Amino acid sequence: GNSVTQMEGPVTLSEEAFLTINCTYTATGYPSLFWYVQYPGEGLQLLLKATKADDKGSNKGFEATYRKETTSFHLEKGSVQVSDSAVYFCALSGPRGSTLGRLYFGRGTQLTVWP
Amino acid sequence: DGGITQSPKYLFRKEGQNVTLSCEQNLNHDAMYWYRQDPGQGLRLIYYSQIVNDFQKGDIAEGYSVSREKKESFPLTVTSAQKNPTAFYLCASSTQGFYEQYFGPGTRLTVT
Repeated sequence: GNSVTQMEGPVTLSEEAFLTINCTYTATGYPSLFWYVQYPGEGLQLLLKATKADDKGSNKGFEATYRKETTSFHLEKGSVQVSDSAVYFCALSGPRGSTLGRLYFGRGTQLTVWP
Repeated sequence: DGGITQSPKYLFRKEGQNVTLSCEQNLNHDAMYWYRQDPGQGLRLIYYSQIVNDFQKGDIAEGYSVSREKKESFPLTVTSAQKNPTAFYLCASSTQGFYEQYFGPGTRLTVT
């Protein structure tokens, strides 16, 4: 079946530190991979995505590369800011070609950045 | 501005009452979804609909019901049969064949 495992938090960093949040997946077929971000009390916002192997998604200084050989999609940012404090979710789509675009989510990783 | 609206943001109900959560989108998306989020957990799929007048159960449909009479609207009813209804409920939508979903701001339901 399809599932996502992401590193447990909370992750606490100082401003300007390097961030990595690990995400690995199990999937049938060729899924698309996503990172979503959730700020306190809000819905989820799409942060970045990758639709095929070796694709790199990037947005707002965050990056993640779709690694089929290691079934991973780790989120990285070179220098975090206090405003990056949020919960980050890794997700994968259903099999390509499926008429249903459901997403499978990891449990989320809470990130707190201190000034 | 296109987007998804959920109302109300906070909802309080007494145990034993049914309650309906609203979800409206003006993105012209065909598919809509309802998720439940509990503290420290990921999102769990309740119901989804790929087209008007059709919907399917997700992973935790028991105690919930939905309707899809209009493309723009996908209301969720939390019935008295739902054993632990207190949670944060998120609605999302997507275009057919594309898998990225767009989320509303959520409704926090508290049942006492």
